[in-house]
Parts: sequence; structure tokens; C-alpha cells
Amino acid sequence: GQNIDQPTEMTATEGAIVQINCTYQTSGFNGLFWYQQHAGEAPTFLSYNVLDGLEEKGRFSSFLSRSKGYSYLLLKELQMKDSASYLCAGLDSNYQLIWGAGTKLIIKP
Amino acid sequence: GAVVSQHPSWVICKSGTSVKIECRSLDFQATTMFWYRQFPKQSLMLMATSNEGSKATYEQGVEKDKFLINHASLTLSTLTVTSAHPEDSSFYICSARTPWAGRSSYEQYFGPGTRLTVT
Repeated sequence: GQNIDQPTEMTATEGAIVQINCTYQTSGFNGLFWYQQHAGEAPTFLSYNVLDGLEEKGRFSSFLSRSKGYSYLLLKELQMKDSASYLCAGLDSNYQLIWGAGTKLIIKP
Repeated sequence: GAVVSQHPSWVICKSGTSVKIECRSLDFQATTMFWYRQFPKQSLMLMATSNEGSKATYEQGVEKDKFLINHASLTLSTLTVTSAHPEDSSFYICSARTPWAGRSSYEQYFGPGTRLTVT
């Protein structure tokens, strides 16, 4: 079966760095997405990785290892507004997104 | 670019009535649209996938006679919740996909969501 695993909840301190991990098992693989979702709002795109390695975008970076079926989202210089759920989603061989349950990130002052 | 709108943003209806939710891609043509449901503190649950001009493909466990989806044009899809009951109260989110824009041809652009409350 297809499965996306990520921690349910994480807590970090304002100004610090946090890494949210995601492991995936999909039928075929055509890339991995990270989305951010604030409570009561729709998800917004953060990153897309299809090749191994690290993609950096400002305070956010995303890493992919296809051989390990593993990705992480790295958030630096955390701000209170980063408190949200972070959704990992894998694109399978049918180009369907398989969604993880999301990681709720709590930022404390 | 790649903006998706949803209407209404919230709706309260009585049990037994039907509610229609519209999803529009404002500045691009969406070949595929998706409808999701999300209960509080849970992740997105895909309900159905619709391609313009063809019947929607429903996920297992989703009643197609209860959740009617119409994707009549490349910019509009509608979800009608028929004979709504309190257990249908949820956050409904649509997304659209186009092969002609975005960082990936399979990136989904999400609407702002519709909060449905059935009393």
C-alpha cells in the first residue's frame, strides 16, 4: 500500500531551527511536495523535490533522498507565524498526490 | 498567478437540504480539479477527482449520489452536498491542477475552503 509518515506534532522555540521528517512509500514516485496549512485555511505550496538533494528557499529548505524514501523540511529562524501544520505529499506513478496526516508545529516565544 | 476561488466561504444549512459549493480557477485553465474534506485536527481527505467534461472519480467510501460533482468547464467545478446531515459538517477544499503552469505540472492550487455547518 501507499503511505506517508510524518510526526503528529512538534514544538520549537522562536528563532530556532526545526526539521520535520517525512518517509514515504508510494507506487512509483514522481516527486514530493510540502505544503503549509494554517488553522482554518487552505494549504499553500512550500516546495517540490523530484531529484535527490537540498532545495533552499529563504528560511525554508527541503531535502529528498529517493533511495531512502525520505524527505525533510527545514525551517530556520522560526517566527511565530510559522505555527501551522506542514503536509508532506508524494506523487505516485499515476501522478496522484498521496497525503500525509500533517505535522502540527507549535512555536513558543 | 494560479488563483483558485471558492464560494461560499462558509454556509449553514438545515438537515435535509442541499448545498452547492463552487470552485473556480481565476487565471488559468484547470484540466483537473480535486475536492477534499477536512475534519478538525485531521489531514486532507480526497473525496473525488474530476476532469473537465467527464465524470468524477470518487474515492472509496465517498457516496457519489450524495456528493455530486460537476466539472462543466476548464474554470469551474461544483460540489453539491445533497440531503445534508450534521455529520457532513466539515471544511471542504477544492484544488486545481494544470499542466501549463507551476513548478510542477502536478502542483495543486488550493481554494480558500468552504466551512459547511449542518444544523
